[in-house]
Amino acid sequence: DTAVSQTPKYLVTQMGNDKSIKCEQNLGHDTMYWYKQDSKKFLKIMFSYNNKELIINETVPNRFSPKSPDKAHLNLHINSLELGDSAVYFCASSPLGGTPVLGELFFGEGSRLTVL
Amino acid sequence: GNSVTQMEGPVTLSEEAFLTINCTYTATGYPSLFWYVQYPGEGLQLLLKATKADDKGSNKGFEATYRKETTSFHLEKGSVQVSDSAVYFCALKAGGYNKLIFGAGTRLAVHP
Repeated sequence: DTAVSQTPKYLVTQMGNDKSIKCEQNLGHDTMYWYKQDSKKFLKIMFSYNNKELIINETVPNRFSPKSPDKAHLNLHINSLELGDSAVYFCASSPLGGTPVLGELFFGEGSRLTVL
Repeated sequence: GNSVTQMEGPVTLSEEAFLTINCTYTATGYPSLFWYVQYPGEGLQLLLKATKADDKGSNKGFEATYRKETTSFHLEKGSVQVSDSAVYFCALKAGGYNKLIFGAGTRLAVHP
């Protein structure tokens, strides 16, 4: 029933490991996003896909790789995890995100990643 | 570059008090402005928006007016309720592709 769902909600792992966070939306939107919220609560966009095509790619280490198998899913894979990757990662979706037309963003509940 | 600055929290109020959360922005061009709210255990939700100068966004008793001369978009509510306790994020969109720039968030705690 949840519009934008992320799994897992909590993830605790060791430095150097590889992990993935999955996101699915059932709203029929064409565009999906990953945002990172750091310890100071700043939300920064990382990536955006429109119909499986990458349209926003901010300055993010290439250890982060998004994958969109279809327009309802956008997964985030992180290689060689570092302490600084600890954050809450939010997935979002929106209609018309691939155009200049304004579209509301719908967010998931967030995935809290802790790297030890 | 584009940025959003909002007042640090937490803001603690008694029920029925007046609320102001300040938000100022820096942007090239004419951005659209938003307030999102995150209730405990939930994702962010759009609260209100304004797309041009002097527009007033409103929803659920909350209001914010787009002030180009002061580059501000302060959030106000005349009488807060305990159920308004949440984190509030100011954001702007400049350019295409729904690339939102968020402020740091302000936590509001309302006590009975």
